[in-house]
Amino acid sequence: AQSVAQPEDQVNVAEGNPLTVKCTYSVSGNPYLFWYVQYPNRGLQFLLKYITGDNLVKGSYGFEAEFNKSQTSFHLKKPSALVSDSALYFCAVGANTNAGKSTFGDGTTLTVKP
Amino acid sequence: DTAVSQTPKYLVTQMGNDKSIKCEQNLGHDTMYWYKQDSKKFLKIMFSYNNKELIINETVPNRFSPKSPDKAHLNLHINSLELGDSAVYFCASSPTGGSNTIYFGEGSWLTVV
Repeated sequence: AQSVAQPEDQVNVAEGNPLTVKCTYSVSGNPYLFWYVQYPNRGLQFLLKYITGDNLVKGSYGFEAEFNKSQTSFHLKKPSALVSDSALYFCAVGANTNAGKSTFGDGTTLTVKP
Repeated sequence: DTAVSQTPKYLVTQMGNDKSIKCEQNLGHDTMYWYKQDSKKFLKIMFSYNNKELIINETVPNRFSPKSPDKAHLNLHINSLELGDSAVYFCASSPTGGSNTIYFGEGSWLTVV
């Protein structure tokens, strides 16, 4: 069975500082890895994904994530945080069969303070 | 031009009532989902349909019954509502296959009183 762990419930950073939201995964075979963001009272929005190829993936709003196979991690990063980045972030592993289900982490609340 | 739309957005109802949430996607996707987000913001899949066929049915009380009249629509009917059903319900869709992005609706906030 596949699983996703987001070890931090909350991440606090100051505006302008770099941010990292951590994610580790466990899957059999090659993983499909995703980050989604949820702003207050909104649905989840896709940020970026890793399917294959370059380990560094760039996504929306200046976010990027690095796939690390040896550490089974897919941490979300941004060089300079904005107050508007404050939201709930979900890491997810895509289903490994067409009839399977994606697995979402428990979410990490990012708060960026001015 | 909303990709995944669900109605109603807010729903307040009394215990014991029956209610439905409707969902439509205009993305041409084959797979549709219902997710539940509880008060702790944890996201759990409830159901998944592929081309109108039920493929995922998690451990959900049988008071919850999804219905997919066509592959662009997936409705959720809930019988005999209980206080614990209060949550945000998200409809979503994607092309078939785990490498594909899931597109979420804006959510339906259900409050049972």
